[in-house]
Amino acid sequence: AQSVTQPDIHITVSEGASLELRCNYSYGATPYLFWYVQSPGQGLQLLLKYFSGDTLVQGIKGFEAEFKRSQSSFNLRKPSVHWSDAAEYFCAVGALSGGSYIPTFGRGTSLIVHP
Amino acid sequence: EPEVTQTPSHQVTQMGQEVILRCVPISNHLYFYWYRQILGQKVEFLVSFYNNEISEKSEIFDDQFSVERPDGSNFTLKIRSTKLEDSAMYFCASSGRLGNYNEQFFGPGTRLTVL
Repeated sequence: AQSVTQPDIHITVSEGASLELRCNYSYGATPYLFWYVQSPGQGLQLLLKYFSGDTLVQGIKGFEAEFKRSQSSFNLRKPSVHWSDAAEYFCAVGALSGGSYIPTFGRGTSLIVHP
Repeated sequence: EPEVTQTPSHQVTQMGQEVILRCVPISNHLYFYWYRQILGQKVEFLVSFYNNEISEKSEIFDDQFSVERPDGSNFTLKIRSTKLEDSAMYFCASSGRLGNYNEQFFGPGTRLTVL
């Protein structure tokens, strides 16, 4: 069965600083990997996804993530954080089921942005 | 931009009572999902629904739970006899056409509190 580990429960950064959120996965086959963001009072929004091809994927809001098979990692990065990026971030690995991908989520990392 | 909506945003109920959580998926979507997130824990998959039947369900989705698409727009989750441990945030999601990948669009969630 697939699983996802997000080792950091909270991350605090200053506005304008760079950001890296860690994600490690366990999955028997080629993984389908996702990053979601959840702002307070909002649903989960897909930031980016990796299925195959280029291991560096670009997402919305200036985020990117790099798939490293040798490290079983899919870390999320942003070169310069904005105050509006403060939110909960979830990494997920997806298993194809009935025509759609059912994500298995990590616990999430809460991003705090200081002015 | 079309979005998934959920009502109510917060539901408080007594243990043993039945609750129905409502969702309006994006109108041309074909797949529907329910997830839950117990406070401080991971987002967990409950059930997926396609072509008017359950296509996948997790071990959490026991006989106390049921889903229904009573008309062309609503997708409901019923908990027959709520328990304290059912207190959680419940997210509905929908995804579109058949194909290799269907992004799931999440609603803002319903917070269920069982007293």
